Amino acid sequence: DAEITQSPRHKITETGRQVTLACHQTWNHNNMFWYRQDLGHGLRLIHYSYGVQDTNKGEVSDGYSVSRSNTEDLPLTLESAASSQTSVYFCASSENPGLGETQYFGPGTRLLVL
Amino acid sequence: TQLLEQSPQFLSIQEGENLTVYCNSSSVFSSLQWYRQEPGEGPVLLVTVVTGGEVKKLKRLTFQFGDARKDSSLHITAAQPGDTGLYLCAGERFTGNQFYFGTGTSLTVIP
Repeated sequence: DAEITQSPRHKITETGRQVTLACHQTWNHNNMFWYRQDLGHGLRLIHYSYGVQDTNKGEVSDGYSVSRSNTEDLPLTLESAASSQTSVYFCASSENPGLGETQYFGPGTRLLVL
Repeated sequence: TQLLEQSPQFLSIQEGENLTVYCNSSSVFSSLQWYRQEPGEGPVLLVTVVTGGEVKKLKRLTFQFGDARKDSSLHITAAQPGDTGLYLCAGERFTGNQFYFGTGTSLTVIP
């Protein structure tokens, strides 16, 4: 069955370190998204991609970067981790741009920055 | 500032009771989705509404999109413990394929 996976599921790092969170989907979806989830804020969009070599900034993109070299993967990099980036990170994918397109979410990565 | 505000933020009710969760905004959306999220998992889509005034039913759950496409509600009839979870609304703007998520409503149904 097609799925979307994230790794690692849990990560502890120190302030200033570079961290990369992996997201891999086997749906063959064009669209991929990264969100962070914090209490009281719901899910906020960090970066998104509509296809290979395409990346776009979301509403909370500062301190994060992504690259899309193939259809299946959209890794999220924290260039220099900060305590404010402690959060739960979710990757999602959808098939095509379209009204009300379903997003399929991964299980999440819980990141703690000390 | 959150584009979509949900209320209430927390809700604890007895099994068999009815409840309504609200999702409000000052912005207009092309579509509105509701998701449910279990602890330790990602959100799962429940429904998508795309027409102002649209009502959709999913067993004991009734979803409504406001006439002006700025708000939505989720009504659960005769809540069951299996309904426990975090409910999130998400609105899609007319420009782009981005969804803006609400602040979430944490529902606990006590047996």
